Amino acid sequence: EIVLTQSPATLSLSPGERATLSCRASQSVTTYLTWYQQKPGQAPRLLIFDASNRATGIPDRFSGSGSGTDFTLTISSLEPEDFAVYYCQQRSDWPPSFGPGTNVDIK
Amino acid sequence: QVQLVQSGGGVVQPGRSLRLSCAASGFTFSIYGMHWVRQAPGKGLEWVALISYDGINKHYADAVTGRFTISRDNSKNTVFLQMNSLRVEDTAVYYCARDRGWQVELQYFDNWGQGTLVTVSS
Repeated sequence: EIVLTQSPATLSLSPGERATLSCRASQSVTTYLTWYQQKPGQAPRLLIFDASNRATGIPDRFSGSGSGTDFTLTISSLEPEDFAVYYCQQRSDWPPSFGPGTNVDIK
Repeated sequence: QVQLVQSGGGVVQPGRSLRLSCAASGFTFSIYGMHWVRQAPGKGLEWVALISYDGINKHYADAVTGRFTISRDNSKNTVFLQMNSLRVEDTAVYYCARDRGWQVELQYFDNWGQGTLVTVSS
């Protein structure tokens, strides 16, 4: 089973700043890496699939990169609505698995 | 628009059973695989089960194999999760989620239900 680790656990930033979130896999997942956003009391929302493809309706300030074992989600300029928890998920190997999440909170 | 509306859930004693439902609308339900994903209080996401678009293939997380059963009724656009022999550690918010693929399961999730809380406690 592939284990995903995310860093940092918490990222404290101000609106307008750039956020860089990391996801590392215990073995290669090629580009089968997905990112979700979850706000308190809400279901997760699909942001990025296959490492770098934005889902429908996702603003272009969100971008994903990486392949193999190392991946990055970048939010170029944080908007107030972007403060949330972000999860990565792999679909390269069975079962699909999630990372523990990165909490982006307001500094 | 795509909607997944969940029902069921609640408080149940260890060893008892519960059934969750997820009613879909706004898309052709019968061509999408469906999943259940859960989230224990204050914790991260955990994939639970998948059913293929046609209901033929089913897969489960090790933690629930033999206790949970996923099913679907394509005539009613609904997916179910039958949970038997519930344990305290099954306490979580359960989400149904649509697979991104058409007639193939891609194992990531593009639309989610609102979630329903299952509490297993004596």
